[in-house]
Amino acid sequence: AQSVTQLDSHVSVSEGTPVLLRCNYSSSYSPSLFWYVQHPNKGLQLLLKYTSAATLVKGINGFEAEFKKSETSFHLTKPSAHMSDAAEYFCVVSDQNSSYKLIFGSGTRLLVRP
Amino acid sequence: GAVVSQHPSWVICKSGTSVKIECRSLDFQATTMFWYRQFPKQSLMLMATSNEGSKATYEQGVEKDKFLINHASLTLSTLTVTSAHPEDSSFYICSARDRGTGGLGSNQPQHFGDGTRLSIL
Repeated sequence: AQSVTQLDSHVSVSEGTPVLLRCNYSSSYSPSLFWYVQHPNKGLQLLLKYTSAATLVKGINGFEAEFKKSETSFHLTKPSAHMSDAAEYFCVVSDQNSSYKLIFGSGTRLLVRP
Repeated sequence: GAVVSQHPSWVICKSGTSVKIECRSLDFQATTMFWYRQFPKQSLMLMATSNEGSKATYEQGVEKDKFLINHASLTLSTLTVTSAHPEDSSFYICSARDRGTGGLGSNQPQHFGDGTRLSIL
């Protein structure tokens, strides 16, 4: 079975400092992985996706993630946090065994201090 | 591109009434749409997969007669919460996968609506 684990429920950073949101996956196949962001009372916006092309994936708003098969990780990073980055972030894997339904991590709430 | 519109964004109604939520793909055709439920401070829980022109596939534990799903066209799916009660209060989110880049078996991203906050008094 495929799954994702987000290692931190909350991450707090100061504005202008780097962001690291951690995600580990479990998959029997080469996975398709995504990061989505959710602002309060809103739906989800796709930040980036990995589908077995380049291991370093660049997304929107300056975010990027690196797929590391040896570590089964897909951590999300950003060099410099902005106040508008404060939101909930979900690491997601696409379940190839079940019509590519999405399996969500538990989410990480990013807090950005002024 | 890839905009999904969900309506209404907020509903407050009395216990026992039925509520319909619409999910539209505005600039693409979606063979498959998905309905999720999200409780406060929790992740999304898939309720059902909506397939255009056929019956929806419900996840285990989701009542089919309670949550009626209709996917009558390639751009519209509806979720009707029948005889709603306070325990049905939640945040409901739909998503759609672009038919042009993949159908049911595709691993293409899902595009999400902005959600519907349902409050049953």
